[in-house]
Amino acid sequence: GQNIDQPTEMTATEGAIVQINCTYQTSGFNGLFWYQQHAGEAPTFLSYNVLDGLEEKGRFSSFLSRSKGYSYLLLKELQMKDSASYLCAVMDSNYQLIWGAGTKLIIKP
Amino acid sequence: IAGITQAPTSQILAAGRRMTLRCTQDMRHNAMYWYRQDLGLGLRLIHYSNTAGTTGKGEVPDGYSVSRANTDDFPLTLASAVPSQTSVYFCASRATSVTDTQYFGPGTRLTVL
Repeated sequence: GQNIDQPTEMTATEGAIVQINCTYQTSGFNGLFWYQQHAGEAPTFLSYNVLDGLEEKGRFSSFLSRSKGYSYLLLKELQMKDSASYLCAVMDSNYQLIWGAGTKLIIKP
Repeated sequence: IAGITQAPTSQILAAGRRMTLRCTQDMRHNAMYWYRQDLGLGLRLIHYSNTAGTTGKGEVPDGYSVSRANTDDFPLTLASAVPSQTSVYFCASRATSVTDTQYFGPGTRLTVL
């Protein structure tokens, strides 16, 4: 079966750095996406990785290791507005997205 | 403003009733999707359409139907609602490439009693 695993909840302090991990087992791989979802709102796109390595985009970075079936999202200089759920999704061999349940990130002052 | 709209925003429905959730996009995207999101579970694909005139089944299609008569609209119909269909429903669209990002509508919160 297909499976995406990420921690249910994480807590971090304003101004700090947090790393949200995602491991996956899917039938085929055509890229990995990270989305942010604030409570009661729609998911919004953060990043896309298809090759191994680190992609940096401002305060957010995303890393992929295809051989390990592993990705992480790194958030630096945390702000209160970063409190949200972070969704990991893998595009499988049918080009459909398989979604993890999301990681709820709580930022404390 | 370009984007995706969904209607209604929320709805309480009696079991056994028929309901259509509406989704319209003005980005001229080819592909459109319907997902449901339940607490503790990831987004699950109900139905999709790669282009106007075609539709396909996702992971959880039972009890739902869709149509894609034109590029902009992708309604989702529950023929006879059941309490297990209580969920938040998101419509999404994607541009040309399969690896393009999906853009989501604001969602419809549906409660079936």
